[in-house]
Amino acid sequence: GAGVSQSPRYKVTKRGQDVALRCDPISGHVSLYWYRQALGQGPEFLTYFNYEAQQDKSGLPNDRFSAERPEGSISTLTIQRTEQRDSAMYRCASSPRIDTYEQYFGPGTRLTVT
Amino acid sequence: QQPVQSPQAVILREGEDAVINCSSSKALYSVHWYRQKHGEAPVFLMILLKGGEQKGHEKISASFNEKKQQSSLYLTASQLSYSGTYFCGTAKNTGTASKLTFGTGTRLQVTL
Repeated sequence: GAGVSQSPRYKVTKRGQDVALRCDPISGHVSLYWYRQALGQGPEFLTYFNYEAQQDKSGLPNDRFSAERPEGSISTLTIQRTEQRDSAMYRCASSPRIDTYEQYFGPGTRLTVT
Repeated sequence: QQPVQSPQAVILREGEDAVINCSSSKALYSVHWYRQKHGEAPVFLMILLKGGEQKGHEKISASFNEKKQQSSLYLTASQLSYSGTYFCGTAKNTGTASKLTFGTGTRLQVTL
């Protein structure tokens, strides 16, 4: 079946602009996670959802970052007033059940802020 | 705090064995292992829950010692396809078991 998809795959934006990154999880997966990954480093947790409820947003760097999953499926990570330090690979992952189960990662969105 | 993995990098000849360690300063509920090839997404390998269990899948197995807050990944008779960066991901407790903190990574290269 189809895996996790993310769009756009690449995004170049100017400093100060807002960006919206989309994640389409595997069909039927109840949990969805957002990570940020620097080159050569492991994924860094940002936030996650069980169904449509945001469970933990402690990893969001500041209030310019927000995420939603209104219908319990597709999720959007929004970064307002982007800064150069926001440049990174943003990955989402989905999991078939709540609690500790395997996470399936998407291909990521490479964000570059100029 | 990020789990520490060792070694940072290792080069093997095909057929050789390797052990990758993951150590945390915090009490753990579970440890997850992922492999990531260059330019690709991390791929799930296995989960170990507290209780000191050991798991295996073909020539890749792992152990979890909750008292020592450590996990080890064992790669036997390595194949070229094993090359990549291995990450452990740790979860602290059942309440936030889904929130993973990933380790520093171990880069594995298998050569002919």
